[in-house]
Amino acid sequence: GAGVSQSPSNKVTEKGKDVELRCDPISGHTALYWYRQSLGQGLEFLIYFQGNSAPDKSGLPSDRFSAERTGGSVSTLTIQRTQQEDSAVYLCASSGLSGGGAWDTQYFGPGTRLTVL
Amino acid sequence: RKEVEQDPGPFNVPEGATVAFNCTYSNSASQSFFWYRQDCRKEPKLLMSVYSSGNEDGRFTAQLNRASQYISLLIRDSKLSDSATYLCVVRTSGTYKYIFGTGTRLKVLA
Repeated sequence: GAGVSQSPSNKVTEKGKDVELRCDPISGHTALYWYRQSLGQGLEFLIYFQGNSAPDKSGLPSDRFSAERTGGSVSTLTIQRTQQEDSAVYLCASSGLSGGGAWDTQYFGPGTRLTVL
Repeated sequence: RKEVEQDPGPFNVPEGATVAFNCTYSNSASQSFFWYRQDCRKEPKLLMSVYSSGNEDGRFTAQLNRASQYISLLIRDSKLSDSATYLCVVRTSGTYKYIFGTGTRLKVLA
């Protein structure tokens, strides 16, 4: 079946512009996660959504970052007034009982590589 | 102290060698443990979950030591294709939040 997809795959923007990154999770997965990975670094947790519960936003680095998940499916990560330090790969993952894996196995999308000039 | 710590490596080993990685975690309430593999410029993929009794999948063996709060990954008969970064991942009981280690780089040499 279809995996997690993300768009765009690459995004180059100028400092100060807003960007939107999209994630389509595996169908039926109730949990959705956003992570950030800077060059040569580990994954930094940003936010997760679980069903209809309030999202855990504890990893968002500043109020310039926000995320939504509409209809329990697609999610959008928005970065306002981008800064050069926002340059990274933004990874989305989903988990849940559908898809054949264990409920707590995360399946990652290919990521969006964001470059802020 | 980081919640999940790994030796960044790189571990350079010849083909056929056995190599082991450890990962320590600081939260005693941690409940679920995983090893993920990440190839260069690719997304992480689940290698194996780590169960309390230890588990094996082909050439890969994972162990959990709750008393000392570490998990390990053993790779036997290393292949060139095993070259990657191995990420230790921990989930705390009662949450859906996963903490990733920074990864251990493995290079298997011909």
